[in-house]
Amino acid sequence: DAGVIQSPRHEVTEMGQEVTLRCKPISGHDYLFWYRQTMMRGLELLIYFNNNVPIDDSGMPEDRFSAKMPNASFSTLKIQPSEPRDSAVYFCASSELAGEYNEQFFGPGTRLTVL
Amino acid sequence: QKEVEQNSGPLSVPEGAIASLNCTYSDRVSQSFFWYRQYSGKSPELIMSIYSNGDKEDGRFTAQLNKASQYVSLLIRDSQPSDSATYLCAVKNTGFQKLVFGTGTRLLVSP
Repeated sequence: DAGVIQSPRHEVTEMGQEVTLRCKPISGHDYLFWYRQTMMRGLELLIYFNNNVPIDDSGMPEDRFSAKMPNASFSTLKIQPSEPRDSAVYFCASSELAGEYNEQFFGPGTRLTVL
Repeated sequence: QKEVEQNSGPLSVPEGAIASLNCTYSDRVSQSFFWYRQYSGKSPELIMSIYSNGDKEDGRFTAQLNKASQYVSLLIRDSQPSDSATYLCAVKNTGFQKLVFGTGTRLLVSP
């Protein structure tokens, strides 16, 4: 059974460019999470969806960031325009329907470098 | 004060020793606690979860929770070099799906 799939695995871009990160959650999982990990701030939740609906986007740093989930098997995180401080590893995770004990399964991550 | 605090380490232990990793949290309503392991360049993977005060054992791993003191710990018995990784503590509040992570403790197990 395939795990969470993310693409691209690595992205190098120049400041000001648009960046789109993609995620395919585990089939049957109802929750999808986008995280950002940096050395300074650790692993931070940006936004999460339940049944394709955004539930909490309080972690989205600013209007340059947007996320969509058009269907149960696909989500995007877009940064426009990108800035060097956006350089980080971005993880997507998914979990089954609620419960206090639901495990979040992480994808391999996208390492973003903004020059 | 950070919501979830961990000593960044590195914590160095010899092979075969017990590694003790600690985590404190600030929100008293936190109800679920998780330990994730993250190898360098890889994604986090869940190794233990705990919800009730006391100890929970799974193989070489024991999670300990003390809600009154707001701390959770992870013990790794018979540490192996393959246990060398960063260990992330995460907490979740009742009714919410959001996990709040600490910055992690790096563990180094020397042969």
